[in-house]
Amino acid sequence: EAQLVESGGDLAQPGGSLRLSCAASGITFSNHAMTWVRQAPGKGLEWVASIYGLGDSTFYADSVRGRFTVSRDNSENTLYLQMNSLRVEDTALYYCAKDQQLVPLAYWYLDLWGRGTLVTVSS
Amino acid sequence: EIVLTQSPATLSLSPGERATLSCRASQSVTYYLAWYQQKPGQAPRLLIYDASSRATGIPARFSGSGSGTDFTLTISSLEPEDFAVYYCQQRAIWPLTFGPGTKVDIK
Repeated sequence: EAQLVESGGDLAQPGGSLRLSCAASGITFSNHAMTWVRQAPGKGLEWVASIYGLGDSTFYADSVRGRFTVSRDNSENTLYLQMNSLRVEDTALYYCAKDQQLVPLAYWYLDLWGRGTLVTVSS
Repeated sequence: EIVLTQSPATLSLSPGERATLSCRASQSVTYYLAWYQQKPGQAPRLLIYDASSRATGIPARFSGSGSGTDFTLTISSLEPEDFAVYYCQQRAIWPLTFGPGTKVDIK
């Protein structure tokens, strides 16, 4: 069964750092672009960052560019999100999601999601 | 950035009724639009991509239409499990953006 499992969410102070992980199973991880999407409590979905299957290209929302870094280790079937200079407004449930298409294409439609990991930024 | 506007914010209907949800883009996204369903405590699920193509395993009662700036998700006859929040998402131009969602609740 295809599955994505996020981890690493925690309580962090403003200005602090966290690294989120997303472990993939049941899929050929390197064949798919991957995306992080977040959802603040009681709010809608917000795209955060995306990365191509080989990790050669990345894309960021303006709200996180320069603070967050998306990366992947295809040998470990794992996606990462390094989050630095955290702000209160980064508080959210962070989902990782798989692209619907196979490399070299990326359609940026998300057909498999994890259950999310909660990041809380507060002093 | 392309802004997606969804209407109505809330749709109150009974099981068996037809649901029509709207998503409007601030500029053309051609047909590069998807719809997701999210139930409380669950991750979103892809329903429709490229405006009108059903994702794998999605029942035929879900259909999408539209192009350019105006899109519609139709649920032909609501089942109890369809009461949820629905989001549209565009992939035409970076950044990827989502609409604010339409909540379909039980009347």
